[in-house]
Formats: sequence, structure tokens, C-alpha cells
Amino acid sequence: DVKVTQSSRYLVKRTGEKVFLECVQDMDHENMFWYRQDPGLGLRLIYFSYDVKMKEKGDIPEGYSVSREKKERFSLILESASTNQTSMYLCASSKSGIQETQYFGPGTRLLVL
Amino acid sequence: GENVEQHPSTLSVQEGDSAVIKCTYSDSASNYFPWYKQELGKGPQLIIDIRSNVGEKKDQRIAVTLNKTAKHFSLHITETQPEDSAVYFCAASRSSASKIIFGSGTRLSIRP
Repeated sequence: DVKVTQSSRYLVKRTGEKVFLECVQDMDHENMFWYRQDPGLGLRLIYFSYDVKMKEKGDIPEGYSVSREKKERFSLILESASTNQTSMYLCASSKSGIQETQYFGPGTRLLVL
Repeated sequence: GENVEQHPSTLSVQEGDSAVIKCTYSDSASNYFPWYKQELGKGPQLIIDIRSNVGEKKDQRIAVTLNKTAKHFSLHITETQPEDSAVYFCAASRSSASKIIFGSGTRLSIRP
């Protein structure tokens, strides 16, 4: 079974703090994704990576950066957290290629005060 | 870019009845349409998908239909059970894209 784990289920941070969200997958998947989930807006893609050290912007990359130093790990970084980044963050992974099934982690609910 | 609209946003049905969730997409080049189910406290999980070369696909109590001309696709759940309560997301992608575009989600509740 594919397993995608996220470092925290709940996180509370202050405005202006630097925030790291970590994601690890154990199935040797090439592709990894970061989404944010907000009521009424569905899942919106922030960044994705199709290989180590490779990254591509998704639909809402502003205010975020990512890092992929190892194949199994994909980090989302909020350089200076703001209240409008309060959200549920979901990480996913998939095999290489297009239209492959994405496997999601349980999510990190981030509250920025 | 691609836009996927999903309706309704919430749906409540009596246990044993059927539930239908509908989505429309804007990009005529889209050819892959997955459906994901998100249970409480979990990440979304793929439950069924359909490609544009077929009009319907069934898997036990779940079926998906696709109308390419009208650019809409639907999820049908028959004989609903309590464990069907969840948030359902439709999505669409084209073969030249690395990403999929999700709809806004439908919260399905099954009344006992």
C-alpha cells in the first residue's frame, strides 16, 4: 500500500513566522504535489515536482516555495506566514507520467494567527 | 486554463437511495476524469476514473458517465450506505498536462 505521511496534523503559527510542512512517501514515486484545500474552492495546486530538485508552479504559488532534495521527501515552505494562508494543506504523490493516480497524505491543518 | 465546476456543494440522501453528482469542464482537450472520495480526517482517495474513449464505467455501486459533446460527467452511487458519507471531488486533465484540475467538492450525507 502507498503511504504518504505529513509531518503534522495540526499546526498553529504566528503571522510572519517561517513555516515548514514536510511530506514523505514510501513508494518511490517520481511525482509529488502540494495542494491547499479551502471550503467551496476544492483542491488548488500550489507546486509540484516530477524529479529531485525539480519543481513547477501550480495555480497558486504566491507566498510559497518548495524543496525536493530527496526523492521521497517534498517540503512546502511559507517564508512569512500570513492569515490568508490558514488552510488545510494536502501532499500527494504519483508515479511518473501523466494521468497517474495521486495518493494523498492525511493533510496538515494550519492556523496562522 | 481548465475550469471544473461541480454541483451540488452539499447533498443529503436517504440510505438506500441513489446519489448523483455532476461536473462540467471547460477544456475540450481534457480526456481523463477521475473521482476522489475524502473521508473525515483523511486525504482524498481515487474511487473511479473514466477516459474520453468511453461513455460509461461501472464498479459495483458506483458508475461514472461522460458526455464529451456537452463537456460534462457525473458520478452515480446506487443503494447508498452510511460509509458513502464523505466529500467527493471530480477532476479533469488533458494528456499533455502533468496536473489535474479539481472541482470544488460535494459533501454527501447519508440519512439513516
